[in-house]
Amino acid sequence: QVQLVESGGGVVQPGGSLRLSCVASGISFNFYGMHWVRQAPAKGLEWVAFIQNDEGINYNTESVKGRFTISRDNSKNTLYLQMDSLSVEDTAVYFCATNSGYGPHFVYWGQGTLVTVSS
Amino acid sequence: ETVMTQSPATLSVSPGERATLSCRASQSVDSSLAWYQQKPGQAPRLLIYGASTRATGIPARFSGGGSGTEFTLTISSLQSEDFAIYHCQQYNNWPLTFGGGTKVEIK
Repeated sequence: QVQLVESGGGVVQPGGSLRLSCVASGISFNFYGMHWVRQAPAKGLEWVAFIQNDEGINYNTESVKGRFTISRDNSKNTLYLQMDSLSVEDTAVYFCATNSGYGPHFVYWGQGTLVTVSS
Repeated sequence: ETVMTQSPATLSVSPGERATLSCRASQSVDSSLAWYQQKPGQAPRLLIYGASTRATGIPARFSGGGSGTEFTLTISSLQSEDFAIYHCQQYNNWPLTFGGGTKVEIK
């Protein structure tokens, strides 16, 4: 059974940093590209970042470029999102999700971790 | 950026009835379109990819259609567990983008 478990969310002040983690089990993690997707309270979904299975390529949405960094440690079956210079607009539930072999969409999802940016 | 627009925002349907949801792209995404179902407090679940291919374990009452800029998700006979929010997502162009969602509620 595939499980993705996010952690690292919490309350942080504007300008602060957080690092999210997503631990995968039940899959060959090193075969999968991985994504972060977020959802602000009572809002729609927003794709944040993607990293290939071999860390070779990654993409970020424009609003997080230069502030968020996606990375992975295949030896630990773990995906990360380093979030710096946080603003209130980054307040959201952050989900990790596996990429599909049929193009960049999202097959397996974690339960999400809440990040609240507030003074 | 490819803007995805879903309509209607809310759809009121009686159990057993058919529901048709629409998703429009601001530019062609070919057939690179996925649909997700999301229930309150839960992560989204992949329903459809490639515009019309059901994901593993998805019941046959869910069907997707369209290509280019116009897409539909049809639920042929709504069951109680189908009342949820549905999101479309294009994956033909970076950045990946979602529609704003359609809430299917009980009439």
